[in-house]
Amino acid sequence: QLQLQESGPGLVKPSETLSLTCTVSGASFSSDTYYWGWIRQPPGKGLEWIGNIDSTGNTYYNSSLKGRVTISVDTSKNQFSLKVTSMTAADTAVYFCASDPEAFYVGSGYAYFDYWGRGTLVTVSS
Amino acid sequence: EIVLTQSPGTLSLSPGERATLSCRASQSVSGNYLVWYQQKPGQPPRLLIYGASSRATGIPDRFSGSGSGTDFTLTISRLEPEDFALYYCQQYSSSPRTFGQGTKVEIK
Repeated sequence: QLQLQESGPGLVKPSETLSLTCTVSGASFSSDTYYWGWIRQPPGKGLEWIGNIDSTGNTYYNSSLKGRVTISVDTSKNQFSLKVTSMTAADTAVYFCASDPEAFYVGSGYAYFDYWGRGTLVTVSS
Repeated sequence: EIVLTQSPGTLSLSPGERATLSCRASQSVSGNYLVWYQQKPGQPPRLLIYGASSRATGIPDRFSGSGSGTDFTLTISRLEPEDFALYYCQQYSSSPRTFGQGTKVEIK
């Protein structure tokens, strides 16, 4: 069974860049058909998909984040990472990493997520 | 964009009762590409149902999904204490993928 674990700072200053890493264990990270993604949830609100990456490094992003997001993968470490630039208070949220088992089949880079990390709260404040 | 409307917003039931949650789409969800998640406070979402009616790994058979087109239903046949939570539907038939606003199942 897949296990995912987010790591990174819990506090980011406004205008700075958030960097998070997700470490994957329990299965082949180099699967051709699994995609890896980031999702966030502001306190008390719903879920927002941020973006996905496949094992070859192809990326798919939520257009609402307007070019602020970069997702990368390091298959040698079984990790993938998220960077979000120009952070503001509106980016305060719990950030989850997760695995997408069906994006490969349905296209558009994102289907749904079957295994999730526990999430990490990121607060944007000076 | 497909808008998913979940109803009711809150469902107040007792353990042992049957829960019926609705997810209605503004346009047809092709391929029945719809999932249901359960989320408890302080936890990540848990995938319950994919493809509208297939149970995810390890999900008890008291959870079932049904529906097609624009109307989908999640049924919990007999509520267990651990089932009181927030439930979301999400479609993956068209972009952007969208979530419903959630139904909270609370103890009556």
